[in-house]
Amino acid sequence: EDKVVQSPLSLVVHEGDTVTLNCSYEVTNFRSLLWYKQEKKAPTFLFMLTSSGIEKKSGRLSSILDKKELSSILNITATQTGDSAIYLCAVRRNAGNMLTFGGGTRLMVKP
Amino acid sequence: GAGVSQTPSNKVTEKGKYVELRCDPISGHTALYWYRQSLGQGPEFLIYFQGTGAADDSGLPNDRFFAVRPEGSVSTLKIQRTERGDSAVYLCASSITSGGYNEQFFGPGTRLTVL
Repeated sequence: EDKVVQSPLSLVVHEGDTVTLNCSYEVTNFRSLLWYKQEKKAPTFLFMLTSSGIEKKSGRLSSILDKKELSSILNITATQTGDSAIYLCAVRRNAGNMLTFGGGTRLMVKP
Repeated sequence: GAGVSQTPSNKVTEKGKYVELRCDPISGHTALYWYRQSLGQGPEFLIYFQGTGAADDSGLPNDRFFAVRPEGSVSTLKIQRTERGDSAVYLCASSITSGGYNEQFFGPGTRLTVL
């Protein structure tokens, strides 16, 4: 059974801080790892990491995939209050198209 | 732009009743997914459609749950004899195809409360 574990469960920081969110996984025939941001209901896509694309960056957000350690990190620099959300990590295997999600990390950025 | 839409946004029902939840995917997306998210947890896969057919329904918890997508666009998730444990946010997602490395775009979900 595929498994995704995220840490920490929750995090409180102040604006301007840098945060690192962790995701570890066990999956048969790994295809890709995805990061989503969930503010209210709909998770919104951030990054997809694969064997051929292990590092992605967009503005203050960046993510790295470590296939050897079966893990990924999501970094957010110079955090803003608008970064407050639940961050979800999910993995996808080669056979099938379902995503297996972790439990999420709840980030709160205080002014 | 038109994203994935879901109706209703909230549904309150009584134990034992039947409910239908609707998902309208992004136009042109052939793959459609249903997930269920309980409080404090990540989404859990229920079922996935490629076109009109259910390609993988391994996540449906029991035979009270059923989903259809008769014309390959709109999908309806049907829950019979609802139980309090069915209370959750039901999320729908779509992707342009099922193959390759296509991201899934999520709708806002339907919050189901079973009293």
